[in-house]
Amino acid sequence: QKEVEQNSGPLSVPEGAIASLNCTYSDRGSQSFFWYRQYSGKSPELIMFIYSNGDKEDGRFTAQLNKASQYVSLLIRDSQPSDSATYLCAVNRGAGGTSYGKLTFGQGTILTVHP
Amino acid sequence: NAGVMQNPRHLVRRRGQEARLRCSPMKGHSHVYWYRQLPEEGLKFMVYLQKENIIDESGMPKERFSAEFPKEGPSILRIQQVVRGDSAAYFCASSPPVRPDEAFFGQGTRLTVV
Repeated sequence: QKEVEQNSGPLSVPEGAIASLNCTYSDRGSQSFFWYRQYSGKSPELIMFIYSNGDKEDGRFTAQLNKASQYVSLLIRDSQPSDSATYLCAVNRGAGGTSYGKLTFGQGTILTVHP
Repeated sequence: NAGVMQNPRHLVRRRGQEARLRCSPMKGHSHVYWYRQLPEEGLKFMVYLQKENIIDESGMPKERFSAEFPKEGPSILRIQQVVRGDSAAYFCASSPPVRPDEAFFGQGTRLTVV
């Protein structure tokens, strides 16, 4: 079993729709969770992080965390063609200031938003 | 505030040569990480350094790879006697002391071994 699993996609959604990206993780000791966006040939860009169960919203992005189910998701509302990229889920065993940036990444989900 | 700076952006080496990849963290960041992204694979952690100290090298191959973060100057990832399998994108990331788990990535160095 992979430590962090994502559906590789591609996930195709029409412009203006909600894109839902999912991620599961195996290590129950994981405490902090991150979503990165990576355009083809570019570096990963941090877009969201979440530490507590529940939802966290930032603009068009909402991260959802359920530690009991070992599940984290990213919702993108009003999807735009510029959102087309690979979305990487990453987990970290520590929480906030007690850990460091040793991240375990999933394989990424390719998202395509078509006009 | 400049981001994480890596150079070179592209590096071509013949088999058996040495590759040196450089990384300057964001201003105010004291934690540096190196990750490797192989074709068709995800990002894999290699090593975590602070100034003059290797904190965690659990992801580094046992041979040919080394990393340093000297008191002055950038962090260096060194690959000796490169082989074709070393061809990958190598990303450096840094994080601030107050939020060491929030890693910001540089543009990467794409190494091609011919």
